[in-house]
Amino acid sequence: GESVGLHLPTLSVQEGDNSIINCAYSNSASDYFIWYKQESGKGPQFIIDIRSNMDKRQGQRVTVLLNKTVKHLSLQIAATQPGDSAVYFCAETGGGFKTIFGAGTRLFVKA
Amino acid sequence: GAVVSQHPSWVICKSGTSVKIECRSLDFQATTMFWYRQFPKQSLMLMATSNEGSKATYEQGVEKDKFLINHASLTLSTLTVTSAHPEDSSFYICSVSVVRERGTDTQYFGPGTRLTVL
Repeated sequence: GESVGLHLPTLSVQEGDNSIINCAYSNSASDYFIWYKQESGKGPQFIIDIRSNMDKRQGQRVTVLLNKTVKHLSLQIAATQPGDSAVYFCAETGGGFKTIFGAGTRLFVKA
Repeated sequence: GAVVSQHPSWVICKSGTSVKIECRSLDFQATTMFWYRQFPKQSLMLMATSNEGSKATYEQGVEKDKFLINHASLTLSTLTVTSAHPEDSSFYICSVSVVRERGTDTQYFGPGTRLTVL
């Protein structure tokens, strides 16, 4: 939903394990979704996107799943590495409205 | 995508002074850019939409006379924080809007500018 000033939820995973980061989006009219990665002190970086006519899209070590029925988006990271430690934001857009960013999830990768 | 730069990457200023932050789209002609601020451990807060050749559109609660935005060319938008105060200390991030195909408005972000007002 709308980004608000909330403290970020945290996910802690062991290096080498798979990570799953979830996002509930707010607008049923949204038809384009993006995942961003933000490392400390840097701007958000585009990871992967998906359109609403798809329910899965794969990239390098990352997979995005879209469930329009329950308005849910997830990012799966395979074989998580220390360099994956960051805050991950989902974003929704479409239907002529501005992009809405999720609150973000902080991923900690334990060595 | 689009490559976006910001300058400066960090700035410290005294209370009451004005600070200008530049956002450049290095490889894409951007008619639309966005300015965000981000407080520690929080999400992005949209401040305004910067439109090339026209006035910026500010979000509710953002003072347009305090945060001056100029988007004079397709590759440059500037944000000036006027009469800065300690509560304006934050991480300011710009983004460029890229529409590669209909219905895919993707934002590419700059590296951010850390502003500290003493």
